[in-house]
Formats: sequence, structure tokens, C-alpha cells
Amino acid sequence: AQKVTQAQTEISVVEKEDVTLDCVYETRDTTYYLFWYKQPPSGELVFLIRRNSFDEQNEISGRYSWNFQKSTSSFNFTITASQVVDSAVYFCALSPSTYNFNKFYFGSGTKLNVKP
Amino acid sequence: EADIYQTPRYLVIGTGKKITLECSQTMGHDKMYWYQQDPGMELHLIHYSYGVNSTEKGDLSSESTVSRIRTEHFPLTLESARPSHTSQYLCASTKATQETQYFGPGTRLLVL
Repeated sequence: AQKVTQAQTEISVVEKEDVTLDCVYETRDTTYYLFWYKQPPSGELVFLIRRNSFDEQNEISGRYSWNFQKSTSSFNFTITASQVVDSAVYFCALSPSTYNFNKFYFGSGTKLNVKP
Repeated sequence: EADIYQTPRYLVIGTGKKITLECSQTMGHDKMYWYQQDPGMELHLIHYSYGVNSTEKGDLSSESTVSRIRTEHFPLTLESARPSHTSQYLCASTKATQETQYFGPGTRLLVL
């Protein structure tokens, strides 16, 4: 089965707090890619990161960091010192190698509310 | 920055009207996709295309149809809109398998 689970439906934090968004995936494929997208209230999906299954190094980009752990099938996303502009719905996605039309399996999204 | 465009951004129409949602990309991507999404909710794949003259239905059954006559253009048509079609429609494209899907800004459709 191919599946992405984002168990946190909605999270509220106060500005400057750190927040971690969880993503757990299921796949039988040994080769796959994982993604995070941000969807602000305007509606478009903005690409944040792409990670392949052979690269378990954590990545940091400014206030954003990602922790990929194959042992627990997780690809969690942390925002450090959150800001009001981080308020959005965040989607985690899985692209297994099985399908040649590049099918994405999206999680149901986590809505992040950052309050001033 | 992805170069993928959707028009119109917002559309309010009456029941029974025929509509076409436009999607264009200037990146030369072969694979294109249409998703349907209620605001902030899960994305559902409704159509995809491998390339010119190739179209397939996605996971979610949809009364819409698509065409792919040119690489850069992937329009979606509803022959007779109904209130149940009210949703956001997102178009995406990708260069190759397991590459990033880049999304357009979306069309928010309201059928009265």
C-alpha cells in the first residue's frame, strides 16, 4: 500500500514558538521521493523540499528543517521561531517508483495557525 | 519559480453552463495533472496526461473531461456545471517520473 498520514489536523502556536509537523508514509518501494508543500490562504501549492529514499541526511533551509528517518518511515518538518506568514496548510507527499506517470500520494494536510 | 498558469482564478456560474478551465505551462513538461480540492482539504487526482494526445482518468471520478493537443496546454471542461462541482481545481506539471510537481495558482469554482 502507498499512503501518507499527517495525523495533526490543525496546530496553533504563538509567534516565535518552534513547531513540528509530522508525516508518516507507507510504501513497498525501495526507491521513492518525499515532498513537502505549503498552501497559503491564496490557494496555490508552493514546493518546499524533495528528498529521495537513499538520502537520510537532515536538511536545513533558514528557519525550516526536515528530519527523514527511514526506520520509522517519517519525514517530519520543523519550523523554528514561527512567524505569522507561516500560517498555511502544509502537505506531505510520497512519489513511489512504481508508477511511471509520477503519481503523488498526498497526506490530508496540517493546518498551521501562527498567532501574533 | 514554476511557470504554470491557470485562468480564471475565480469563476461563479449558474447550473447547466459549460465551462473550460485553462492550464498552461512554459517549462516543456510532458506530464500534467488536474487535482480537485475543497479548501485546505485533501487533494484528489482527477486527470493526468503523459504527453500530447495522452489523457487518463485519475483516482477520483469526475464528470469533467480534458484534452492535450499541445504540450504546454491542458484544459479541463465541464459540459454542464452543477453545484456539486464547486471546488478548487489545481493544475500541475512535472518534467519526469519522481521529479517535483509544480502547481498553478488554482481556479476556485462556485456553481450556483
